[in-house]
Amino acid sequence: EAGVTQFPSHSVIEKGQTVTLRCDPISGHDNLYWYRRVMGKEIKFLLHFVKESKQDESGMPNNRFLAERTGGTYSTLKVQPAELEDSGVYFCASSPTLNYGYTFGSGTRLTVV
Amino acid sequence: RKEVEQDPGPFNVPEGATVAFNCTYSNSASQSFFWYRQDCRKEPKLLMSVYSSGNEDGRFTAQLNRASQYISLLIRDSKLSDSATYLCVVVTYTGNQFYFGTGTSLTVIP
Repeated sequence: EAGVTQFPSHSVIEKGQTVTLRCDPISGHDNLYWYRRVMGKEIKFLLHFVKESKQDESGMPNNRFLAERTGGTYSTLKVQPAELEDSGVYFCASSPTLNYGYTFGSGTRLTVV
Repeated sequence: RKEVEQDPGPFNVPEGATVAFNCTYSNSASQSFFWYRQDCRKEPKLLMSVYSSGNEDGRFTAQLNRASQYISLLIRDSKLSDSATYLCVVVTYTGNQFYFGTGTSLTVIP
């Protein structure tokens, strides 16, 4: 079974530019999550999709972040325009049901310079 | 106040030692609990779920104390390959959001 796939693995962009991160969850997993870890801090929740619907986006830091999940399959997270404090590792995770251990993707390391 | 508190360590122990990590959580309505392991520059990987009755998986034992709101992980007979960061995870009552501790760093020394 293929795991959760994230692309790109690394991205270095300048402040003010736009970056789009992609996540392909495990096939059949309705629940898809985005998390972020900034330097020295704990991993924090960004949002949760159930199929194509946003179930909870309370962790999204501001309106520069936009997440979509087309047709309930893969998801994208766009940051526009990027700021220095957006640097960190963005993890995607999926699970078949709630309260079930997630499977994480290997993350996208975003550096904004 | 943080949802989940962990001692960041580092814990440096010799091979064969027993080591225990604790984690406390603030929301008494939390529903599910997990321990994840994260190797350097890798993604977190599920180590084990934590149940009120306690559960064991080989050299690893997890315990949950709801009254005191803490979770523990015990590793017996430590191996070099156990070196990693161990993340305590607490799930909200809605089940849709994981709260992570900052992680406890373990290094097992030959």
